[in-house]
Amino acid sequence: DIQVTQSPSSLSASVGDRVTITCRASQSISTYLNWYQQKPGKAPKLVIYAASSLQSGVPSRFSGSGSGTEVTLTISSLQPEDFATYYCQQSYSTQTFGQGTKVELK
Amino acid sequence: QVQLQESGPGLVKPSGTLSLTCAVSGASISSGDWWSWVRQPPGKGLEYIGEIYHTASTNYNPSLKSRVTISVDNSKNQFSLKLSSVTAADTAVYYCARRYSYGSGTYLDYWGQGTLVTVSS
Repeated sequence: DIQVTQSPSSLSASVGDRVTITCRASQSISTYLNWYQQKPGKAPKLVIYAASSLQSGVPSRFSGSGSGTEVTLTISSLQPEDFATYYCQQSYSTQTFGQGTKVELK
Repeated sequence: QVQLQESGPGLVKPSGTLSLTCAVSGASISSGDWWSWVRQPPGKGLEYIGEIYHTASTNYNPSLKSRVTISVDNSKNQFSLKLSSVTAADTAVYYCARRYSYGSGTYLDYWGQGTLVTVSS
């Protein structure tokens, strides 16, 4: 199985901050990496697919970059509705998820 | 708009079998996509369980494979999950989702709202 590890596991930030979350894979996954946002009591919501493609309807402050074994999710200016847990997921082989990064209000 | 709805017992006894169904509306389950199950233990992360194609071809998480069966009913536009020999560690919110293919990659774009299944006597 391909393992994906997110860092950090949690972070505290303020509205307007730039936030970056990293996902590292145990082997190269090219750009077969997706990002999901999950709020408490809700299903995950797709934010970025194919490492850098913005899902329809997602604000442009979200962006993704990278390939191979390291991919990042960046929120350029954190908004109140962005406080949530973010998961990466590799689709290169049998799906696996990262352990999640909780973005909290500082 | 594609919608998925999980249904099934919310309480299962230890050593029993967990059974859930996901009803799909707004899309045909024979559309060419895969249909997945994902679970989330309380306060923890997401875990892929497995998936099925309308031809009944399946893929399973190797760590659960010996206990999981996923089936499809094309006539009812739904698919189902059975997890046998459950323990308290199987207590989780269970989600069904559509795995959409773009080129050679895929992502989960539509999700059910999730259903909590508790394993307890």
